Amino acid sequence: AQRVTQPEKLLSVFKGAPVELKCNYSYSGSPELFWYVQYSRQRLQLLLRHISRESIKGFTADLNKGETSFHLKKPFAQEEDSAMYYCALGSQAGTALIFGKGTTLSVSS
Amino acid sequence: EAQVTQNPRYLITVTGKKLTVTCSQNMNHEYMSWYRQDPGLGLRQIYYSMNVEVTDKGDVPEGYKVSRKEKRNFPLILESPSPNQTSLYFCASSLQGGRPVETQYFGPGTRLLVL
Repeated sequence: AQRVTQPEKLLSVFKGAPVELKCNYSYSGSPELFWYVQYSRQRLQLLLRHISRESIKGFTADLNKGETSFHLKKPFAQEEDSAMYYCALGSQAGTALIFGKGTTLSVSS
Repeated sequence: EAQVTQNPRYLITVTGKKLTVTCSQNMNHEYMSWYRQDPGLGLRQIYYSMNVEVTDKGDVPEGYKVSRKEKRNFPLILESPSPNQTSLYFCASSLQGGRPVETQYFGPGTRLLVL
């Protein structure tokens, strides 16, 4: 079965604190994983994907095949990071993105 | 500007009154898809299209129809809307379908309320 699990509905942190948004997946084979972000009243946009291995807005994510995880991390949260974050998995046939239920990140000062 | 557009952005309708939500992309993308977003459920795929005249069901296709007569357009049709179709709808497109999975670009969303 192909599945994405984001265990936290809401994550609240203070500005400057480290952030880790958890994502676990279930997949047979080599997964293709993405993080999408949705700021208030805006469309979903790609934050990063595992094959690019780049850091966007200070966020990084490492694919851990042993733990079947793709957690999103940032060392120092900013208030403008407050948004809904979705982890997504490319389906076996490549015909869909399978989304987790999302985690709302709230960063306060 | 390269983008995916949807219309209307907001729609209130009554049960049984047919409606169409349009989606258009100007990036010459082959792949297009419709998702619905519901609280606590995330995004779920309704239908997708790998190319012109090629469409297929996603995870939640009941009550919806689509067509892909032109590459740029992928309208979502609700023949007889019901209250359980009240949701936020997103259209998305990518350069190609299949693997490797390409980045999908999303429209701004259409918020639908069915009374």
